[in-house]
Amino acid sequence: QKEVEQDPGPLSVPEGAIVSLNCTYSNSAFQYFMWYRQYSRKGPELLMYTYSSGNKEDGRFTAQVDKSSKYISLFIRDSQPSDSATYLCAMNRDDKIIFGKGTRLHILP
Amino acid sequence: DAGVTQSPTHLIKTRGQQVTLRCSPKSGHDTVSWYQQALGQGPQFIFQYYEEEERQRGNFPDRFSGHQFPNYSSELNVNALLLGDSALYLCASTSATGYDYGYTFGSGTRLTVV
Repeated sequence: QKEVEQDPGPLSVPEGAIVSLNCTYSNSAFQYFMWYRQYSRKGPELLMYTYSSGNKEDGRFTAQVDKSSKYISLFIRDSQPSDSATYLCAMNRDDKIIFGKGTRLHILP
Repeated sequence: DAGVTQSPTHLIKTRGQQVTLRCSPKSGHDTVSWYQQALGQGPQFIFQYYEEEERQRGNFPDRFSGHQFPNYSSELNVNALLLGDSALYLCASTSATGYDYGYTFGSGTRLTVV
């Protein structure tokens, strides 16, 4: 079993819809939980990070962590075509970042 | 912009050759990590350098080696290249003292082994 599982998609949604991206993990030692966005031919860009269960909001983005279920989510409200990218969940263990495979998201105009 | 700079951006090498990739960390960062990202996969941790020493290593063979210089810049060396080494190699920097979980990534070096 991989430490971090993420559905690779692709996920296509119409502009303005709410997007839900999810990851599960198996290692209780993970301390920090992050979401990165990666555009084609670019490096990952940190969107949000959190270290506790619950919700964290930043503009149109909400990160949710449920440590009891080992489940994290990223919600994107009022999705825009510019949100089309690959979204990577990531978790920190001993200063190493472990990434999911990434979910390819397409926002349809 | 004082982000992470990687060079070269693209590279084509022949199987069996050796390659050196370079990284300059974000201003104020002292820790450099290297990742390998195969097509359609998430980045895989190779190793991390701090104070010019390898601090942590992922599950990569000894053909992968690195170095960090006093100015915090870093090199990734890969010997005896295999076709399977073709990937995007990413450098990420952070501050060891600041718990800055904003690991900043460069745009990567795309290595193709033929």
